Amino acid sequence: NAGVTQTPKFRVLKTGQSMTLLCAQDMNHEYMYWYRQDPGMGLRLIHYSVGEGTTAKGEVPDGYNVSRLKKQNFLLGLESAAPSQTSVYFCASSYRGQAYNEQFFGPGTRLTVL
Amino acid sequence: AQSVTQLDSQVPVFEEAPVELRCNYSSSVSVYLFWYVQYPNQGLQLLLKYLSGSTLVKGINGFEAEFNKSQTSFHLRKPSVHISDTAEYFCAVSDPPRYSTLTFGKGTMLLVSP
Repeated sequence: NAGVTQTPKFRVLKTGQSMTLLCAQDMNHEYMYWYRQDPGMGLRLIHYSVGEGTTAKGEVPDGYNVSRLKKQNFLLGLESAAPSQTSVYFCASSYRGQAYNEQFFGPGTRLTVL
Repeated sequence: AQSVTQLDSQVPVFEEAPVELRCNYSSSVSVYLFWYVQYPNQGLQLLLKYLSGSTLVKGINGFEAEFNKSQTSFHLRKPSVHISDTAEYFCAVSDPPRYSTLTFGKGTMLLVSP
């Protein structure tokens, strides 16, 4: 099993450009999450999904959109990138949202917006 | 909203010394508590979790944590650290009603030197 994979690993954008980050999991997990990690800020939840076709906002959803068209994939979109979105983005998944099902994390995507 | 406070942003320690990383959370309602570890340039992985029962929880790599409801704390300890324990450690909480998401602290960087 590959676990949770993220594509791409690195990306540099110019302000105003758009891009999509792809998260894929092969563990048949129901729940998927997108976080951003900034120095001294810990991880903050952007959006999450409790199942195929459903999404919900997290703590810092502004400027991002998500889609969960297939159970194994969770896409994070930036329509018009801003320098404030420079960050490391992590995807995670869990079997259920119940806490005894731990979240498994991908390796991260480092995004720089110039 | 739930919040998690990790009192130390950085903890330097010598190899084979004991260490305690502190974590306090804001809510007194029934919560689930977690410690995750992030090694350099990697995603997060679960160290241990408290759901219910014994207040002393043992995790991987010799770590343990003690849940203290009256002090709303969940401090992480290891009696003897190794160089390989150098990493960032995150405390996280999941709260009712759905326990669907995690709120993370800002992290504590553990620096182990010879």
